[in-house]
Amino acid sequence: GDSVTQMEGPVTLSEEAFLTINCTYTATGYPSLFWYVQYPGEGLQLLLKATKADDKGSNKGFEATYRKETTSFHLEKGSVQVSDSAVYFCALISRAGNMLTFGGGTRLMVKP
Amino acid sequence: KAGVTQTPRYLIKTRGQQVTLSCSPISGHRSVSWYQQTPGQGLQFLFEYFSETQRNKGNFPGRFSGRQFSNSRSEMNVSTLELGDSALYLCASSSLRPGGIDEQYFGPGTRLTVT
Repeated sequence: GDSVTQMEGPVTLSEEAFLTINCTYTATGYPSLFWYVQYPGEGLQLLLKATKADDKGSNKGFEATYRKETTSFHLEKGSVQVSDSAVYFCALISRAGNMLTFGGGTRLMVKP
Repeated sequence: KAGVTQTPRYLIKTRGQQVTLSCSPISGHRSVSWYQQTPGQGLQFLFEYFSETQRNKGNFPGRFSGRQFSNSRSEMNVSTLELGDSALYLCASSSLRPGGIDEQYFGPGTRLTVT
């Protein structure tokens, strides 16, 4: 079945540091890939998406590129802020059905 | 547009009871999915409804059920509650354009505590 693996956290960075959160997947066919963010006490917010190979999703300074050859969708941001502290989830939807498969989540803590 | 809304936001129930959670999707969205989030199991898919029909179902026991109404609002029900059912239950909606895979938008969740 489909699966998503992302780096375990927590990831602790200083403000303005560079962020990378690794995500790899296993899926049949060509899935669509997503990053969601969850702030404390809230639901999930869609951060960015990519629907085909080599697509780059971007939003609020975050970027991720759909790499089919390495089955990866790593999240990056050039300069993190304290307000970016949250849990980040990598996820996919395969052609098999409209259901999200999530990674385990990575907690990011940004210190001033 | 208003986002996905879920009611209630918090619930405390006793083992053996049953509970019903409600979800109103974004206006115009016809697909509603439910997910369970726990510290141990992470985010797991429960089921998806489209046009009042359950299209996909996750690997959960029959105590978990749902339905969708003609206005796309959805409810999920958990009967004979167990301690392990304590979780954040998230509802998501998507527009599901023909031939496309659309992103899902999530509500704030219902925090269920079973004592």
